[in-house]
Amino acid sequence: DQQVKQNSPSLSVQEGRISILNCDYTNSMFDYFLWYKKYPAEGPTFLISISSIKDKNEDGRFTVFLNKSAKHLSLHIVPSQPGDSAVYFCAARSTSGTYKYIFGTGTRLKVLA
Amino acid sequence: EAQVTQNPRYLITVTGKKLTVTCSQNMNHEYMSWYRQDPGLGLRQIYYSMNVEVTDKGDVPEGYKVSRKEKRNFPLILESPSPNQTSLYFCASSLGYQETQYFGPGTRLLVL
Repeated sequence: DQQVKQNSPSLSVQEGRISILNCDYTNSMFDYFLWYKKYPAEGPTFLISISSIKDKNEDGRFTVFLNKSAKHLSLHIVPSQPGDSAVYFCAARSTSGTYKYIFGTGTRLKVLA
Repeated sequence: EAQVTQNPRYLITVTGKKLTVTCSQNMNHEYMSWYRQDPGLGLRQIYYSMNVEVTDKGDVPEGYKVSRKEKRNFPLILESPSPNQTSLYFCASSLGYQETQYFGPGTRLLVL
């Protein structure tokens, strides 16, 4: 049972435009969400996170939005750059009862120059 | 340089031959974790450790063992590898469970 889902395996966006990556979750106990970015032959690196008490968090070109009622979060990259081409994973964790991290299946973003 | 190291980076083995993938971090992190990455399945947590001598199962622990005898090291042990354990493995560490995880470069394992 996939508790964190990224339904788009890939996404292509023109340089300078907005990239929107989506993530859905099923477990209402999740209270913290993260996005990681992964280049080929490297380990994932942390990008941005959001607590369930917020609905938006910004860091430069990256903004994460959380809709708790819909159990949905999205990562917006504006403007997109060729260096953003990577696989993006969303992840979730709960602060009660378990110390696991649940990752999604990933979305491969390609930013076209 | 603060980092998480994994060895070996690439490994080809045969079914049933015990192997260990080492993971070491130099950041004095308490939380350490192992993940596997498979096409279409994303990253799945195998085991994690909250601190020395404290380990627990993640979502896919079957066929794996871990130990945490020292804070810096968190080896992943495959007692009797099988072809379905062919995967890309990542070790990660963080100051605590609620802190940012730092990932190692990955170990690509092929079990024939």
